[in-house]
Amino acid sequence: GAVVSQHPSRVICKSGTSVKIECRSLDFQATTMFWYRQFPKQSLMLMATSNEGSKATYEQGVEKDKFLINHASLTLSTLTVTSAHPEDSSFYICSASDWPSGRGEQFFGPGTRLTVL
Amino acid sequence: GQQVMQIPQYQHVQEGEDFTTYCNSSTTLSNIQWYKQRPGGHPVFLIQLVKSGEVKKQKRLTFQFGEAKKNSSLHITATQTTDVGTYFCAGHSGGSNYKLTFGKGTLLTVNP
Repeated sequence: GAVVSQHPSRVICKSGTSVKIECRSLDFQATTMFWYRQFPKQSLMLMATSNEGSKATYEQGVEKDKFLINHASLTLSTLTVTSAHPEDSSFYICSASDWPSGRGEQFFGPGTRLTVL
Repeated sequence: GQQVMQIPQYQHVQEGEDFTTYCNSSTTLSNIQWYKQRPGGHPVFLIQLVKSGEVKKQKRLTFQFGEAKKNSSLHITATQTTDVGTYFCAGHSGGSNYKLTFGKGTLLTVNP
């Protein structure tokens, strides 16, 4: 399957700072990428759908000014957590979809563990 | 909005026993996908079901899609310790972005 990388894998930051997470599809062009948040032993909560060259579509309850998403190219999407607070600590996972060229399978990155002190 | 319910939340079995997880959508699905997430890992695609009543097999894993395309199941025969992980179903109900709605997952643990 396709490979999706995510950087950094782990980040610890102070409250009030901003953190940028990168998601790259290494071997295919992803028109659409997705950003999820996952709490321990819980499901994947979709935060937003990232479309190359256009604004992201955020899910209800997700603050777009706090979680800035940029999909600058067909291989790179970034999520910036602005003015992070301890409640933003979580596991953030991106995925890239092969739709419409493929069957709509999502290829997940390894995730980023964010800890806000 | 669309909801996907998955049960059970946890299942602990002895190695060699069978395991089944069930998924139910509040709306009719275009297709359903199954993913496996190992402890400490990220979700990995297992299979996609598209047709009403479809049944697919992957070695000891059997996947079913209901006639009404609202429910699905994953059955593992004779579990092994390598089957440990969380199994998620994810439904797609249409739309150009191919957004998936994930169930809460079933965490399977296997006692050797």
